[in-house]
Amino acid sequence: DVKVTQSSRYLVKRTGEKVFLECVQDMDHENMFWYRQDPGLGLRLIYFSYDVKMKEKGDIPEGYSVSREKKERFSLILESASTNQTSMYLCASSIPGPYSNQPQHFGDGTRLSIL
Amino acid sequence: AQTVTQSQPEMSVQEAETVTLSCTYDTSESNYYLFWYKQPPSRQMILVIRQEAYKQQNATENRFSVNFQKAAKSFSLKISDSQLGDTAMYFCAFRLWGGSRLTFGEGTQLTVNP
Repeated sequence: DVKVTQSSRYLVKRTGEKVFLECVQDMDHENMFWYRQDPGLGLRLIYFSYDVKMKEKGDIPEGYSVSREKKERFSLILESASTNQTSMYLCASSIPGPYSNQPQHFGDGTRLSIL
Repeated sequence: AQTVTQSQPEMSVQEAETVTLSCTYDTSESNYYLFWYKQPPSRQMILVIRQEAYKQQNATENRFSVNFQKAAKSFSLKISDSQLGDTAMYFCAFRLWGGSRLTFGEGTQLTVNP
């Protein structure tokens, strides 16, 4: 089974801090994704990566950056955390080949609170 | 841009009964994939069922089936013989054929009552 592991289940940080959310997958997937989940809004894509050091902006990239130095690891960075970034963050991965019907596999999420 | 709409924020059903969750989407493309994901209180997103747009036959996975109506751009999920473990948030998602990104709906919170 695919395993996507997010480093923290709950995280509390202060306004202005630099925050790192880590995600690791164990299935050699090329694609990795970061989503934000808010009530009534569903999941919204922040960034995704289709290869090491490659990234593409999603629908809501403002205030975030990402890093993918190794294939299995994809980090989401909040450069200067703000209270409106309090949310649930979900990481996902998928196999290469955009023509495949294979789904994305998700981690358990990190519930981040910015005080 | 593609959009996905789930118009039912909350639904409830009695154990052993059948329930249908609605999903509509908007796209100008003809080839794409549709998915239903389930997110129980444990937060782990789990794939429930998938449908390729070029297939006319509706997908089925045990108690879960879809009603895919391409012309109407509708993709509803039917859960038969509902079980307490079906209590979860359900998300409808769309992906273009040839793309990697998923577009999600707002979600429907389903509660199965004993």
